[in-house]
Amino acid sequence: DIQLTQSPSSLSASIGDRVTITCRANQSISNYLNWYQQKPGKAPKLLIYHTSTLQNGVPSRFSGSGSGTDFTLTVTRLQPEDFATYYCQQSYRTPFTFGQGTQVEIK
Amino acid sequence: EVQLVESGGGLVQPGGSLRLSCVASGFTVSTNYMSWVRQAPGKGLEWVSVLYNDGSTDYADSVRGRFTISRDNSKNTLFIQMNSLRIEDTAVYYCTRPGAYGAFAMWGQGTMVIVSS
Repeated sequence: DIQLTQSPSSLSASIGDRVTITCRANQSISNYLNWYQQKPGKAPKLLIYHTSTLQNGVPSRFSGSGSGTDFTLTVTRLQPEDFATYYCQQSYRTPFTFGQGTQVEIK
Repeated sequence: EVQLVESGGGLVQPGGSLRLSCVASGFTVSTNYMSWVRQAPGKGLEWVSVLYNDGSTDYADSVRGRFTISRDNSKNTLFIQMNSLRIEDTAVYYCTRPGAYGAFAMWGQGTMVIVSS
């Protein structure tokens, strides 16, 4: 199975900060890496698919990069509504594994 | 409106069975491949199963042999039959529809399954 390791597991940041979350796969997944945002009690929301393509309606302060085994989610100018948990996920092959999540909290 | 609505969750004893449903609106289940994803309380997301357009299926090792994914085209509904339930199956179960490159673009609101004696 493909394992995804996210770092950090949690972080504290202030409004307006730039935040970077990394996701590493234990084998190449080409660019089949997706990012989700989840708020308490809600279903996850797709932010970025295929490494760097923004889902419709997602603000441009979110961006993704990487390839192969190393990927990054960046949020520039953090907004109050961005405090949430973020997950990476690979859609390269089954089982479609997720990272363990990164909780972004208010400093 | 394009949406997914799950139902069927509840409290069940270990070893029991439950069938979850996911009614799709605004698109046809049979022409899309669909997945179930679950989330145990306070934990991360875990992919459970996929049903492809051609009817083939796949499962996470943790549920293989106990869970069965299926669909009813006439009702535009996805199901997952869960047998031999274990305490560790306790979770919110989400129905998802992949979009481009297999990313889970659409999610239902989830249905809670609690396995407890």
